[in-house]
Amino acid sequence: GENVEQHPSTLSVQEGDSAVIKCTYSDSASNYFPWYKQELGKGPQLIIDIRSNVGEKKDQRIAVTLNKTAKHFSLHITETQPEDSAVYFCAAGTGNQFYFGTGTSLTVIP
Amino acid sequence: DARVTQTPRHKVTEMGQEVTMRCQPILGHNTVFWYRQTMMQGLELLAYFRNRAPLDDSGMPKDRFSAEMPDATLATLKIQPSEPRDSAVYFCASGASGANTGELFFGEGSRLTVL
Repeated sequence: GENVEQHPSTLSVQEGDSAVIKCTYSDSASNYFPWYKQELGKGPQLIIDIRSNVGEKKDQRIAVTLNKTAKHFSLHITETQPEDSAVYFCAAGTGNQFYFGTGTSLTVIP
Repeated sequence: DARVTQTPRHKVTEMGQEVTMRCQPILGHNTVFWYRQTMMQGLELLAYFRNRAPLDDSGMPKDRFSAEMPDATLATLKIQPSEPRDSAVYFCASGASGANTGELFFGEGSRLTVL
């Protein structure tokens, strides 16, 4: 099955700085790579996703990059704000079925 | 607004007791997932249903866990007998297979504590 590794497990940045979270996956058949944000006491919520036919995708302050050859993908958050503080999960798989990384707890310091 | 509803939100029980968690997926969604979240293991996939049929429950301890979809509006996850190591937050998520996006919509979770 798929094995997704995520780094770092915790990340603190100053407000306005950028944050980068990196993930690797093992199954070359995976073609869908979503990123979820989980706020305290809530369920994870999709923030951005990318498919294997695309190398990069951007949505306002959030961008994802994918390197299928190396089997790694990254989340980039620019101009971080305190409301970006949360746990972020990457995932890899096909269709609806995917496997999550272990999460990154991001703290944005005002 | 459409959302996944889970009950109970919190459950405290004693070891050996039966626990049943319920999930109402978003109307029209045909895939339902159960995940378990712990600090040590992150989000673990326990079971996956499509059109009410179980497709993958390899992540679920078969001796004590069972997952069913009695109808399209209800999914259940049962633990019998419960053990302290089952303490975790259990999430249900639903999605629409074949949709342009593979997005899953998560409920707010059921926090289980087994004493």
